[in-house]
Amino acid sequence: DIQMTQSPSSLSASVGDRVTITCRASQSISSYLNWYQQKPGKAPKLLIYAASSLQSGVPSRFSGSGSGTDLTLTISSLQPEDFATYYCQQSYSTPFTFGPGTKVDIK
Amino acid sequence: QVQLVQSGAEVKKPGASVKVSCKASGYTFTGYYMHWVRQAPGQGLEWMGRINPNSGGTNFAQKFQGRVTITRDTSISTAYMELSRLTSDDTAVYYCARGVVVPAAVGFWFDPWGQGTLVTVSS
Repeated sequence: DIQMTQSPSSLSASVGDRVTITCRASQSISSYLNWYQQKPGKAPKLLIYAASSLQSGVPSRFSGSGSGTDLTLTISSLQPEDFATYYCQQSYSTPFTFGPGTKVDIK
Repeated sequence: QVQLVQSGAEVKKPGASVKVSCKASGYTFTGYYMHWVRQAPGQGLEWMGRINPNSGGTNFAQKFQGRVTITRDTSISTAYMELSRLTSDDTAVYYCARGVVVPAAVGFWFDPWGQGTLVTVSS
């Protein structure tokens, strides 16, 4: 199985901050990597697919980059509605594993 | 719009089984895999398995092999996930999610997700 890790596991940031979350895979997954946002009590929401493609309707302050084993989600200017938990997920091979999540809260 | 609507919360005793439904609308049901993902309280997301609604073929995470069954009824655009021999560790929110593939991108992604079904296992 491909193991996914995320760093940091949590962070505190202010509105307007630039935030970067890293996802690391235990083996190369090329660009087979998606990012989701989850708010308490809600289902996850797709933000980025195939490492760097922005899902329709998602604000352009979200971006994804990288390939291979190290991939990144960046929020260029954090907004109040962005405080949530973020998960990466690989679609390279079964089982389609998720990272443990990064919780972004208000400083 | 594309939507997945799941059945309501369940409370089960240890050793029992639970069956959760996921009704799709707004797209061709047989054109996309349906996946099941669960989330234990305060924990992360765990992929359980998927079904090809067109063929009925399934794949499961090794962890759930022999204990999970995923089926579908194409006449009503609904997928089902049944989990047997429940223990307290199976207490979780269970989500269905459509697997999306497009020619210009690699891999697939989950979009949308159902609203989730809380399954509580307690004696």
